[in-house]
Amino acid sequence: AQKITQTQPGMFVQEKEAVTLDCTYDTSDQSYGLFWYKQPSSGEMIFLIYQGSYDEQNATEGRYSLNFQKARKSANLVISASQLGDSAMYFCAMREWGGGSNYKLTFGKGTLLTVNP
Amino acid sequence: KAGVTQTPRYLIKTRGQQVTLSCSPISGHRSVSWYQQTPGQGLQFLFEYFSETQRNKGNFPGRFSGRQFSNSRSEMNVSTLELGDSALYLCASSLDRGGQYFGPGTRLTVT
Repeated sequence: AQKITQTQPGMFVQEKEAVTLDCTYDTSDQSYGLFWYKQPSSGEMIFLIYQGSYDEQNATEGRYSLNFQKARKSANLVISASQLGDSAMYFCAMREWGGGSNYKLTFGKGTLLTVNP
Repeated sequence: KAGVTQTPRYLIKTRGQQVTLSCSPISGHRSVSWYQQTPGQGLQFLFEYFSETQRNKGNFPGRFSGRQFSNSRSEMNVSTLELGDSALYLCASSLDRGGQYFGPGTRLTVT
């Protein structure tokens, strides 16, 4: 079973509008972290936001916020006031702190976001 | 603080050759991880080092190896290159837990 599922291969949004990128995850660990990364066409992975499984409040970083619903095992990224420079591939990832896999990030397949002027 | 640096940025090799990629983490970061990214397989974990010890290894053949030095810099080596090894190789560093910060990657082409 996939640990990270991103169901939207591509998304389009108008400049200045908000957009939500979906991510669901699967883990039996109680302690884990969820991450979102942005990868422009240049290839570099840019760390956007982090949510720990025990964090009670949703993480926010500037225009980025993470809508964390633990019971549903979802960690959607919300980008407010989209800008043309937000056009990129976005990856959701998880790091589990227990067991033998606690030192690696497991990535979803990504969502390609296109911001239209 | 300087970010994660990777050298070289681009490489072209022929089948059967070997290659060494280098990664310098963010100052103070002791954990370095390596990932392979291809259009078909996406992002796959190769291995992770912390204080010169390999803590975890992904599902890659033994041709893929790595090491970490006392200054936390890391290298990965791929021997007997195959066409399928063509990929973007990304290095990431972190304190331990928390966010992993990625370098710009090394784009390897095997012909």
